Amino acid sequence: RKEVEQDPGPFNVPEGATVAFNCTYSNSASQSFFWYRQDCRKEPKLLMSVYSSGNEDGRFTAQLNRASQYISLLIRDSKLSDSATYLCVVTLPHLNRDDKIIFGKGTRLHILP
Amino acid sequence: NAGVTQTPKFRVLKTGQSMTLLCAQDMNHEYMYWYRQDPGMGLRLIHYSVGEGTTAKGEVPDGYNVSRLKKQNFLLGLESAAPSQTSVYFCASSSRGSGGRSYNEQFFGPGTRLTVL
Repeated sequence: RKEVEQDPGPFNVPEGATVAFNCTYSNSASQSFFWYRQDCRKEPKLLMSVYSSGNEDGRFTAQLNRASQYISLLIRDSKLSDSATYLCVVTLPHLNRDDKIIFGKGTRLHILP
Repeated sequence: NAGVTQTPKFRVLKTGQSMTLLCAQDMNHEYMYWYRQDPGMGLRLIHYSVGEGTTAKGEVPDGYNVSRLKKQNFLLGLESAAPSQTSVYFCASSSRGSGGRSYNEQFFGPGTRLTVL
């Protein structure tokens, strides 16, 4: 099983709809979780951290399910500007070494007018 | 405050040529990273540095060397370029984790698109 897996998509969603996608991770010792956004031919940028209790930032909600080892991102009232690739990031603690940072390959989202 | 900058933005090399990619950050971050991004492969860590004068190997270090002589700069070198090194290279920086967190947000540069013929 890959360390971090995402459905590559693309998810084609009409404007105004709600869309959700998941990211699964294989190592139960994974410590921190994040969602990054990457626009076409641009650099990744942090969208939001994912906290154990779940967290919301405007139209975006992130959740962590440790029992099933996945994180999710929900986008409500989607906008054309939400079209991008969404990368999940997981960190793994290493004894006596720096934490390992693992990027998923990303899920492509297309918001349709 | 420019954040993370990378030079050059684009480069075409012939097989066997060498080059150095420069990354600079003005946020006084301790950690710096070099990634490559290929279609279908996602971001893969090449080398990273946790402070001035220190470097460490990442997931795909072969064929690359790095140096961090100054805190704000992180250089990535290709001694003898190969077509397999055609990719988009991203540099990133982050501050040291705090408050019980080991990871802080990574800030990425705009990328360098390298083609090796």
